[in-house]
Amino acid sequence: EDKVVQSPLSLVVHEGDTVTLNCSYEVTNFRSLLWYKQEKKAPTFLFMLTSSGIEKKSGRLSSILDKKELFSILNITATQTGDSAVYLCAGTGGSQGNLIFGKGTKLSVKP
Amino acid sequence: NAGVTQTPKFRILKIGQSMTLQCTQDMNHNYMYWYRQDPGMGLKLIYYSVGAGITDKGEVPNGYNVSRSTTEDFPLRLELAAPSQTSVYFCASSPGTEWHFGDGTRLSIL
Repeated sequence: EDKVVQSPLSLVVHEGDTVTLNCSYEVTNFRSLLWYKQEKKAPTFLFMLTSSGIEKKSGRLSSILDKKELFSILNITATQTGDSAVYLCAGTGGSQGNLIFGKGTKLSVKP
Repeated sequence: NAGVTQTPKFRILKIGQSMTLQCTQDMNHNYMYWYRQDPGMGLKLIYYSVGAGITDKGEVPNGYNVSRSTTEDFPLRLELAAPSQTSVYFCASSPGTEWHFGDGTRLSIL
């Protein structure tokens, strides 16, 4: 059965801290791994990773994929209260070629 | 360019009632999806469509039906609402690479 597992499920940090969110996957016919940020509404796209070892960056956020270990991390440096959200990891592939989501990591950044 | 539009945003139903959640996209994407998200959980695939006239079941299809008569529209129908269907429903479309999500429909069955 295809699955995506995220850890931790929740995390509380203070502004300025650096956080690392983890995502492991077992997805047949794996094609890519996506990270989303979800606040109150729809998930918003952060990164799509298809190649191992190539870091993608966007401001204070970065992510990397390890296709050998079936693992990805999302790093957020110098966290701000606006980073508070649920971060979803999803693998594409599977028998239906769709997104398989993890349960998410709820990040709370305190002032 | 509105992207993916879902209506309604909120709805309360009584057990046994039926309703249709609407989803439309203006990006000419072939792929469309319906997900549900329960509290503390990731999104689970209900139904998906790879093009007009073609639909298929996802991970949790029981209690739902879909149709895809046009590329733009992908409505989700609940025939006999049950409390277990209380959830937030997201529609998404994709050209095959990235996914675009609607803002969701929060549905409560009482």
